[in-house]
Amino acid sequence: AQSVTQLGSHVSVSEGALVLLRCNYSSSVPPYLFWYVQYPNQGLQLLLKYTTGATLVKGINGFEAEFKKSETSFHLTKPSAHMSDAAEYFCAVAFNDYKLSFGAGTTVTVRA
Amino acid sequence: DAGVTQSPTHLIKTRGQQVTLRCSPKSGHDTVSWYQQALGQGPQFIFQYYEEEERQRGNFPDRFSGHQFPNYSSELNVNALLLGDSALYLCASSLWGLRTEAFFGQGTRLTVV
Repeated sequence: AQSVTQLGSHVSVSEGALVLLRCNYSSSVPPYLFWYVQYPNQGLQLLLKYTTGATLVKGINGFEAEFKKSETSFHLTKPSAHMSDAAEYFCAVAFNDYKLSFGAGTTVTVRA
Repeated sequence: DAGVTQSPTHLIKTRGQQVTLRCSPKSGHDTVSWYQQALGQGPQFIFQYYEEEERQRGNFPDRFSGHQFPNYSSELNVNALLLGDSALYLCASSLWGLRTEAFFGQGTRLTVV
């Protein structure tokens, strides 16, 4: 069965420090990959996506992610955390059936 | 561009009642998908509508049903509400045949008491 795993339900970083959120998927076929951010009491906003081509993907708000097929991973990074990055982050995949399958989410807190 | 709009934003229902949630997709989009997000969890796919037909369905009981109208807007209906149906219900719109991006609404927070 295809699945998405986000390692770490909570991540705490200092302002200015590296943000690293981990996502692994299980599938024999490379899926389309997405990272979404959710602020309290709001819907989901797309940060970035990987479909085909370049494996290093740049998104909004300074985030980027790298697709590594050999590791079935799509980890999200940001070099320098800002207080406004405090939110919940979801990794998602889509296969031929076009529906999104989400991980359980990672809550990011940023310490001043 | 108004984006994806959902109504109402909040709703409180009693166990056993029925509820209807509404979604208007982003301009130019023809496909609507519904997701249920329980507290502290990731969204779970309920079903997807295109050309007024249910195209895919997740692992949800028949109490969950939907409809898509000719203007591409959609409704999610839940019958015989259970306490466990309390969640944030998210609507996402996209273009049929493209997996590249789904735009989400702000969601409807349903509380069943």
